[in-house]
Amino acid sequence: ETGVTQSPTHLIKTRGQQVTLRCSSQSGHNTVSWYQQALGQGPQFIFQYYREEENGRGNFPPRFSGLQFPNYSSELNVNALELDDSALYLCASSFRDRTYNEQFFGPGTRLTVL
Amino acid sequence: SQQGEEDPQALSIQEGENATMNCSYKTSINNLQWYRQNSGRGLVHLILIRSNEREKHSGRLRVTLDTSKKSSSLLITASRAADTASYFCATDKSNYQLIWGAGTKLIIKP
Repeated sequence: ETGVTQSPTHLIKTRGQQVTLRCSSQSGHNTVSWYQQALGQGPQFIFQYYREEENGRGNFPPRFSGLQFPNYSSELNVNALELDDSALYLCASSFRDRTYNEQFFGPGTRLTVL
Repeated sequence: SQQGEEDPQALSIQEGENATMNCSYKTSINNLQWYRQNSGRGLVHLILIRSNEREKHSGRLRVTLDTSKKSSSLLITASRAADTASYFCATDKSNYQLIWGAGTKLIIKP
């Protein structure tokens, strides 16, 4: 039981639409990372936010954007949805100032793009 | 892009047997972590091994790390049905961003 929550659990959108996914970090954590996991694959790093600023980005286009709020909750926004965006989206929170990076994951949001 | 590659892709064993999974990676790392994922849901952290460590234990889990070969192994002893899951290795290059492998799907048969 990690304390990281995500909403919604499932979402169905059509191509070209926009979507916002939400994540509530574990209490005391100051960093949130977002991952995309296609079926049968490992997670792919999208980006990370530390103290409300983007702190690194994976190989994802600008239509993937995010926000981190003062209470360390976070949003992932995807514009102009494509069929290949169908995946499980995971957020993970961590406390960056430790010497290691153990991340605590939420249950994920499964996005289906039709 | 994937940093790590797990081997095998899938593993099916009898309950009570030991399960060994391997992970190889490409670049230098700060630490390597193993996670478990049940039924395509959230990932659960199992164990972390730092680059200057060679072996680590946690309950029924044993992890080894060989930085010269850029590889790690995860051993689960006395497997149980509840160990059925996908297992992933993730590497941290000290920039707080984890790079993941494609995972090993482990099935424990009763």
